Amino acid sequence: AQSVTQLDSQVPVFEEAPVELRCNYSSSVSVYLFWYVQYPNQGLQLLLKYLSGSTLVESINGFEAEFNKSQTSFHLRKPSVHISDTAEYFCAVTPKGGYNKLIFGAGTRLAVHP
Amino acid sequence: NAGVTQTPKFQVLKTGQSMTLQCAQDMNHEYMSWYRQDPGMGLRLIHYSVGAGITDQGEVPNGYNVSRSTTEDFPLRLLSAAPSQTSVYFCASSYSASVETQYFGPGTRLLVL
Repeated sequence: AQSVTQLDSQVPVFEEAPVELRCNYSSSVSVYLFWYVQYPNQGLQLLLKYLSGSTLVESINGFEAEFNKSQTSFHLRKPSVHISDTAEYFCAVTPKGGYNKLIFGAGTRLAVHP
Repeated sequence: NAGVTQTPKFQVLKTGQSMTLQCAQDMNHEYMSWYRQDPGMGLRLIHYSVGAGITDQGEVPNGYNVSRSTTEDFPLRLLSAAPSQTSVYFCASSYSASVETQYFGPGTRLLVL
């Protein structure tokens, strides 16, 4: 079985400051990893994913995440946040070779202040 | 191209009532799934379908039924609503059952009194 732990339930940060949202996972098999974002009163949107290859993956809006197999982590970072990044962020995994059944963390609410 | 649509957006039920949450997608996706979102718990998989006529249980299936008679539609039925089913329900779809980007609907907020 798999589980995902997001270490911070809320992260307040000032605009233009860097941010890191932490995600650790536990699994007895290899997994694919995802970050989804949920803006207020909306559904989830895929932010980025790690399937294979380079352990550093990037999104189109400046976020990046690094897969660390030894530490079973997939932390999300952005060097300079904007007010519009205020949202809830979910880390998720799915086992390799299986159906696309996502196991989510509890979420981290990012609040960007001016 | 509407993507994944869900109806209704909001619903209030009394304990014991039944209802169906509708989900439809117009992207010809084979894989569809239902999640519920509860505070502090993220999203949990209720049921999923790898194609028309094929469904299976997820992590929290009790109290819910599904069927998939067409590729486009994947309704979720609550047979006898309970307060523990108060939640936000999301439907998602992807092109195939292997690892693909899943597209989520806007959600249905359900309150069971």
